[in-house]
Amino acid sequence: ETGVTQSPTHLIKTRGQQVTLRCSSQSGHNTVSWYQQALGQGPQFIFQYYREEENGRGNFPPRFSGLQFPNYSSELNVNALELDDSALYLCASSSPGEETQYFGPGTRLLVL
Amino acid sequence: GDSVTQMEGPVTLSEEAFLTINCTYTATGYPSLFWYVQYPGEGLQLLLKATKADDKGSNKGFEATYRKETTSFHLEKGSVQVSDSAVYFCALSKESGANSKLTFGKGITLSVRP
Repeated sequence: ETGVTQSPTHLIKTRGQQVTLRCSSQSGHNTVSWYQQALGQGPQFIFQYYREEENGRGNFPPRFSGLQFPNYSSELNVNALELDDSALYLCASSSPGEETQYFGPGTRLLVL
Repeated sequence: GDSVTQMEGPVTLSEEAFLTINCTYTATGYPSLFWYVQYPGEGLQLLLKATKADDKGSNKGFEATYRKETTSFHLEKGSVQVSDSAVYFCALSKESGANSKLTFGKGITLSVRP
């Protein structure tokens, strides 16, 4: 069984640019959630996708957007990058009826 | 809103010492409670969970009991190893499946000396 995978592992961007992060969910999982983990902090919920629709959103501005595809993989897009967007971005997947989420290794984004 | 509070860190212990990491929560209803562990340079791994009051989650020698009366979910291990050095996060979730948003504490760094 393949776990949650994310790409790329590391990324460096400059302020104002746009970035796309990718996530493949664990086999059998149809729900994908994205979290932002700033240095020294716990992960913060960005949003969740279920059946290709956004299904809940945390306190993040609209320049954070996402997609989910028919195979349940997902993308996180961030426009107009700011320095404070520098963080580890974690993707997690879960199966129907389960509260446990399984995390990928994350993408570390540095905005200069 | 829902929140999770973890004791301040970091924590440094000698190998074979007893470990307790405190976690308390604020939430309406009946959340499920989790401990996740993050090893250096890696994502989060589920360590253990409990879904209702008085449940005890356990894994790899770690244990935590869901105490609704004190809204706590403290993590314990009787004898830590160097390989337990990591960051530990307490978290809660009030829904399952398609609404299962996790609310995390700030995490605590554990260092175990040989």
